[in-house]
Amino acid sequence: EPEVTQTPSHQVTQMGQEVILRCVPISNHLYFYWYRQILGQKVEFLVSFYNNEISEKSEIFDDQFSVERPDGSNFTLKIRSTKLEDSAMYFCASSGGQGGYNEQFFGPGTRLTVL
Amino acid sequence: LAKTTQPISMDSYEGQEVNITCSHNNIATNDYITWYQQFPSQGPRFIIQGYKTKVTNEVASLFIPADRKSSTLSLPRVSLSDTAVYYCLVGDNNSGYSTLTFGKGTMLLVSP
Repeated sequence: EPEVTQTPSHQVTQMGQEVILRCVPISNHLYFYWYRQILGQKVEFLVSFYNNEISEKSEIFDDQFSVERPDGSNFTLKIRSTKLEDSAMYFCASSGGQGGYNEQFFGPGTRLTVL
Repeated sequence: LAKTTQPISMDSYEGQEVNITCSHNNIATNDYITWYQQFPSQGPRFIIQGYKTKVTNEVASLFIPADRKSSTLSLPRVSLSDTAVYYCLVGDNNSGYSTLTFGKGTMLLVSP
């Protein structure tokens, strides 16, 4: 069964450093997403991406965040200057079509720890 | 977005049927009801989706009454591995790029 993969599984960084989280969505999907989950809290939407541009973003997704699809397979989330409060699990997801009835497939997540 | 309300936690034993009810009084005409499951330190996983009446798949059933103001996820004969958080989400099927808005979910604990 096709699945979304994410690397690394765990990233430790110093405050102020840049991090890039990587995701490989399911190959024939068109829509890509990033969510985050701070420990013990709910899953929060960050950004959605379609046709090589951001289609929607939340208020969490400020200027410190950026996304890119550098080639035909990878989808990345960059945090320019990490803060302590960026520590969370970051989940990438992909879906085949638009609208809520197309299920989103989530990756296993990257645990980001900012020291 | 329609607000959803579901119990914070539920307990069950192996082999029992578990029903988790979600309230969504402000559901809109275009909204679908979707349930996701999340194990600790894993990403959410789609379980089932429906619009009205009853939907069944190999994992669960979803019951939606005629007024659609609530829905019930039914897990038949749960096992220990069904211990997880279950999220009820309501969203517009025609909204374009869907963004999932998760609540706190229901933590289901299945005991031997």
